[in-house]
Amino acid sequence: GNSVTQMEGPVTLSEEAFLTINCTYTATGYPSLFWYVQYPGEGLQLLLKATKADDKGSNKGFEATYRKETTSFHLEKGSVQVSDSAVYFCALASGSARQLTFGSGTQLTVLP
Amino acid sequence: DADVTQTPRNRITKTGKRIMLECSQTKGHDRMYWYRQDPGLGLRLIYYSFDVKDINKGEISDGYSVSRQAQAKFSLSLESAIPNQTALYFCATSDPGQGKTQETQYFGPGTRLLVL
Repeated sequence: GNSVTQMEGPVTLSEEAFLTINCTYTATGYPSLFWYVQYPGEGLQLLLKATKADDKGSNKGFEATYRKETTSFHLEKGSVQVSDSAVYFCALASGSARQLTFGSGTQLTVLP
Repeated sequence: DADVTQTPRNRITKTGKRIMLECSQTKGHDRMYWYRQDPGLGLRLIYYSFDVKDINKGEISDGYSVSRQAQAKFSLSLESAIPNQTALYFCATSDPGQGKTQETQYFGPGTRLLVL
């Protein structure tokens, strides 16, 4: 079956530090890959996505590249801000119904 | 106004009680989903519906039922609540558009449920 594995948290960084959150996946067929973000007290919202190999998704300074050869979709940001503190979920969509399979989430805290 | 709303936002109930969580959306999407979120487990799919006459079980449907009353409304019921159903519940929608736009899901703010 499909699965998503992401690095365990929590992750604590100082403002302006470089961020990497690792994500690897197992899926049949040709999955699309996503990063969702959950701010405190809110639902999940799409941060970025990539639908085929070598695509790069980007939004709000975050980037992730769909690497089919390593089955990975690592999230990066060059300089984090306090406002980036949230839980980040890696996910994939596959199969005819294109349902989402989520990773366990990574809590990020950015200190001023 | 929020596109996907959930009521109630918080609920405390007792073991054995029946409880209903409601979800409404103004996005005009056909597809709706119910998930539960547990610490360290991410989100797991309970049920999903691709239109008013379509209901499908997800990964963890045991102990739950759903009703799709209209395109905009999708309710989740716990017929006899038990403590291990304590979790954060999310409703989501997606648009069955062409190509891969159908994959992006839009989430409500969540309902925090505590079963004593």
